[in-house]
Amino acid sequence: DAGITQSPRYKITETGRQVTLMCHQTWSHSYMFWYRQDLGHGLRLIYYSAAADITDKGEVPDGYVVSRSKTENFPLTLESATRSQTSVYFCASSRVASGTGNTIYFGEGSWLTVV
Amino acid sequence: AQKVTQAQTEISVVEKEDVTLDCVYETRDTTYYLFWYKQPPSGELVFLIRRNSFDEQNEISGRYSWNFQKSTSSFNFTITASQVVDSAVYFCALQAGTASKLTFGTGTRLQVTL
Repeated sequence: DAGITQSPRYKITETGRQVTLMCHQTWSHSYMFWYRQDLGHGLRLIYYSAAADITDKGEVPDGYVVSRSKTENFPLTLESATRSQTSVYFCASSRVASGTGNTIYFGEGSWLTVV
Repeated sequence: AQKVTQAQTEISVVEKEDVTLDCVYETRDTTYYLFWYKQPPSGELVFLIRRNSFDEQNEISGRYSWNFQKSTSSFNFTITASQVVDSAVYFCALQAGTASKLTFGTGTRLQVTL
């Protein structure tokens, strides 16, 4: 049971470059999420998706783009990376298509440094 | 809007001490869920517990216990007889509304020493 896998796990990139973080889940969960973790802020939601081809903004979406052409994949793209996007990025998923009370499971995180 | 406050940034205890991590939440929804996650030094987020707003019974799982009080909007987490392996950052989170997304607190770093 692979769960959620993120790649790359570690990435250093230069300011202005485009970077894509990949997320793949094997549970066929409806919901998928991208969070970023920064000291003093906890985890903040960037984007989420309720199903394939349905995405919505979270708390901090600026500078990021997502897509979800297949249920199992939810890539996050930084179109032009900035130093403020240096962070740890977590992908997550949950089972049920609607409502709350659904446990969200997280991937292992992707450490991104923008220099 | 949802909000979660973890006022304790960092706590240090000696092994075998009991420790309580505080969590206060804000929401206007009447149906909501509260979560605790553990983030050990390796970095992954480990799910610990989920509690719905209609169930105020305290829960105990081994050395872990949770106290949910709607009257004070708190969902505190106690570790009894702490161990070095409990050293981690602990996050409290709130899930409310129509989507499944979580609102996290800023986390409490727990350091357990010998």
